[in-house]
Amino acid sequence: AQTVTQSQPEMSVQEAETVTLSCTYDTSESDYYLFWYKQPPSRQMILVIRQEAYKQQNATENRFSVNFQKAAKSFSLKISDSQLGDAAMYFCAYRSALGSGTYKYIFGTGTRLKVLA
Amino acid sequence: NAGVMQNPRHLVRRRGQEARLRCSPMKGHSHVYWYRQLPEEGLKFMVYLQKENIIDESGMPKERFSAEFPKEGPSILRIQQVVRGDSAAYFCASSPTREGQLETQYFGPGTRLLVL
Repeated sequence: AQTVTQSQPEMSVQEAETVTLSCTYDTSESDYYLFWYKQPPSRQMILVIRQEAYKQQNATENRFSVNFQKAAKSFSLKISDSQLGDAAMYFCAYRSALGSGTYKYIFGTGTRLKVLA
Repeated sequence: NAGVMQNPRHLVRRRGQEARLRCSPMKGHSHVYWYRQLPEEGLKFMVYLQKENIIDESGMPKERFSAEFPKEGPSILRIQQVVRGDSAAYFCASSPTREGQLETQYFGPGTRLLVL
């Protein structure tokens, strides 16, 4: 069974600085998808970024980028130029590729990010 | 394009009552997923449905919980005879059906269930 581990329960970053959130996962599958979701105090789950395992290029979305290390099963999220609005819980999620397993997401336990003014 | 809609947003029930949570997927989405989030925890998968079919219910408790997604209308997550341990946030997500898009799930705002 697949598992997702986020070993940092809480992180802090100064406004305008850069922070990296860690995520590791365990799977025997070769094709899958990885996601980062943000959950602000409103508790709405917002997609931040996604990565296809077959793509070697790291995904980027404006100030958000990932460092995807497939062999190490690592999928970290880097937030550049942190803003107060980035303060939230961040969840890493895994999903099997089509036809190779279940469609459900497997979530990590989350990292609470605090942004200091 | 409206997002995933869930109602009610907050639901209070006494032990032994029934809870009905509704989810309307995004327009054009026919895949619905339900997740449960206990306080200070991540989301845990419960069930995956397509129209009129339960595809994967491996995360559903064996008793008291059921889900449906009829041909017309929203998906319903039903909890019978609620207990205090059912208190949680219940999230619904939907995904497109086009190949290459199916893997991304879009979440609703959640329903916070409190059992007294």
